[in-house]
Amino acid sequence: AQSVTQLGSHVSVSEGALVLLRCNYSSSVPPYLFWYVQYPNQGLQLLLKYTSAATLVKGINGFEAEFKKSETSFHLTKPSAHMSDAAEYFCAVSEPISGGYNKLIFGAGTRLAVHP
Amino acid sequence: SQTIHQWPATLVQPVGSPLSLECTVEGTSNPNLYWYRQAAGRGLQLLFYSVGIGQISSEVPQNLSASRPQDRQFILSSKKLLLSDSGFYLCAWNPRSYTEAFFGQGTRLTVV
Repeated sequence: AQSVTQLGSHVSVSEGALVLLRCNYSSSVPPYLFWYVQYPNQGLQLLLKYTSAATLVKGINGFEAEFKKSETSFHLTKPSAHMSDAAEYFCAVSEPISGGYNKLIFGAGTRLAVHP
Repeated sequence: SQTIHQWPATLVQPVGSPLSLECTVEGTSNPNLYWYRQAAGRGLQLLFYSVGIGQISSEVPQNLSASRPQDRQFILSSKKLLLSDSGFYLCAWNPRSYTEAFFGQGTRLTVV
């Protein structure tokens, strides 16, 4: 079964600094990978997804992630943090289930704090 | 466009009381539907998924059940709530051919 590990349950950066949130996956097949963002007491919003096209994936709000097969990683970055980026971020991998459908396996999440 | 509705947004229930959370999707047909639970400080755990009316798969044994009485309706239930059922419950859906899922706004359940 696939699994996802997010290193660092809490990350704190200064406004304007680089954001780096780490995600490693294990998968027996070429994976589909995702980053989601969750603001307090809200659902999850898709930031970006990797589906075996370009290894560098650009998402919303200036975020991007790079798929590195040799490192089994899919780290999320943003060059310059904004106060509004403070949220919880989840990395996920798609796992096939019966009938040709898929389910998402999530990491434990990383809470990003941005301070002035 | 497709939208997903989940209600109620918050719920406080006593131990031993029943539970019914509802989720509906608009603007699509034959969606895959999912119930996830997010416990405090933890990631998302898939509870149930459904690929069609009356077709429910359970991921983990627990005090909860799910039903899909209509194509775009997914219900999470319990006959008797436990304290450990407290958490943030999220409904999600995706079209047959998609790998990513789209989430509702969630229900914060507190069992007291």
